[in-house]
Amino acid sequence: QKEVEQNSGPLSVPEGAIASLNCTYSDRGSQSFFWYRQYSGKSPELIMSIYSNGDKEDGRFTAQLNKASQYVSLLIRDSQPSDSATYLCAFKNYGGSQGNLIFGKGTKLSVKP
Amino acid sequence: NAGVTQTPKFQVLKTGQSMTLQCAQDMNHNSMYWYRQDPGMGLRLIYYSASEGTTDKGEVPNGYNVSRLNKREFSLRLESAAPSQTSVYFCASSEVGGVGTDTQYFGPGTRLTVL
Repeated sequence: QKEVEQNSGPLSVPEGAIASLNCTYSDRGSQSFFWYRQYSGKSPELIMSIYSNGDKEDGRFTAQLNKASQYVSLLIRDSQPSDSATYLCAFKNYGGSQGNLIFGKGTKLSVKP
Repeated sequence: NAGVTQTPKFQVLKTGQSMTLQCAQDMNHNSMYWYRQDPGMGLRLIYYSASEGTTDKGEVPNGYNVSRLNKREFSLRLESAAPSQTSVYFCASSEVGGVGTDTQYFGPGTRLTVL
């Protein structure tokens, strides 16, 4: 059974702080990792994708991947109230007959002004 | 370029009624997906279509059927709705490719209530 574990939160951080969101996954063969942001009542939208060990930065967002530890994280620098949302971690294994995305249940982030 | 569109946005059904959820994408993607999202359960895959003419079951297919009408459209049908099918339904699409080329893009969702 392929699984993704995320802390459901809520994670509360003050405006301007760094928010750290973490995710572990069970499938060692996973090759692609995604972070989606979902505002309440809206659909998921892609924030970051990462495929290699290490860090990937995009503006205020940094994704970190450690395949040996089966761990992926998302750092949000200079957090803003507009970052308040649920963040979904997902991974994909391209092997086998069903290489589909496996989603975690999400971490709810609240950024306090 | 509308991306992924879904109709209807909201629907209320009585137990036993049937309905079809429509999804269309204008990104020329080969693959399309149907998910349901329930509180505390995350996104779960119902059915997917890797390419036009093919469909496969996902994690929770019972009670649903799908049709890949053409490359653009992928519909989800509930033949006899049950209260357990009350959920938010999302359609998504992606290109078929290897690592780095198949990000999934989501539609706005359909909020379904079965009484």
